[in-house]
Amino acid sequence: AQSVTQPDARVTVSEGASLQLRCKYSYSGTPYLFWYVQYPRQGLQLLLKYYSGDPVVQGVNGFEAEFSKSNSSFHLRKASVHWSDSAVYFCVLSAGSSGNKLIFGIGTLLSVKP
Amino acid sequence: EAAVTQSPRNKVAVTGGKVTLSCNQTNNHNNMYWYRQDTGHGLRLIHYSYGAGSTEKGDIPDGYKASRPSQENFSLILELATPSQTSVYFCASGGWGVVSYEQYFGPGTRLTVL
Repeated sequence: AQSVTQPDARVTVSEGASLQLRCKYSYSGTPYLFWYVQYPRQGLQLLLKYYSGDPVVQGVNGFEAEFSKSNSSFHLRKASVHWSDSAVYFCVLSAGSSGNKLIFGIGTLLSVKP
Repeated sequence: EAAVTQSPRNKVAVTGGKVTLSCNQTNNHNNMYWYRQDTGHGLRLIHYSYGAGSTEKGDIPDGYKASRPSQENFSLILELATPSQTSVYFCASGGWGVVSYEQYFGPGTRLTVL
């Protein structure tokens, strides 16, 4: 069965600190992986995506993620967070099947302390 | 710029009433999707569509119908609304295939069923 696990429901960091949000997926085939961000009272915006190739992918606003097939992981990182990064972050899996259904993690609420 | 709009943005309905949520996309995407977002569940797929005239059941279709009258429009219909359907509903559009697996989301509709 396909699934996405985000083990941390809530993460709090200080402004300027580094960040890692964890994501583990379960899928036997080739996964297509995404991180989406949801700011308060808004829809979801694509942060970055991984289809193939270099396991480290760059996204918007200084975010990057690293794909690991051996660990079934796709962790999100940022070197120095800003208060405006406070939001909910979703790790998402696509199996690429017909209909392209996405499978979402439950999300991680990031709070950045000034 | 990809654009998905939803109406209404907020809706209060009574138990047993009929509710229609509308979605419009200007991305010329074939696929469209309806999700609901609840705390602890991430986003869950209700219905989706491959194109005008088609609708498919997602993971939690019970109590919902969908309609895709045109490439641009996709509606979600609650024939007999219940309090358990109180949630935030998101519409999304997406292509399919090697080019792109990501989806573009609307701003959401907050539905309260009393």
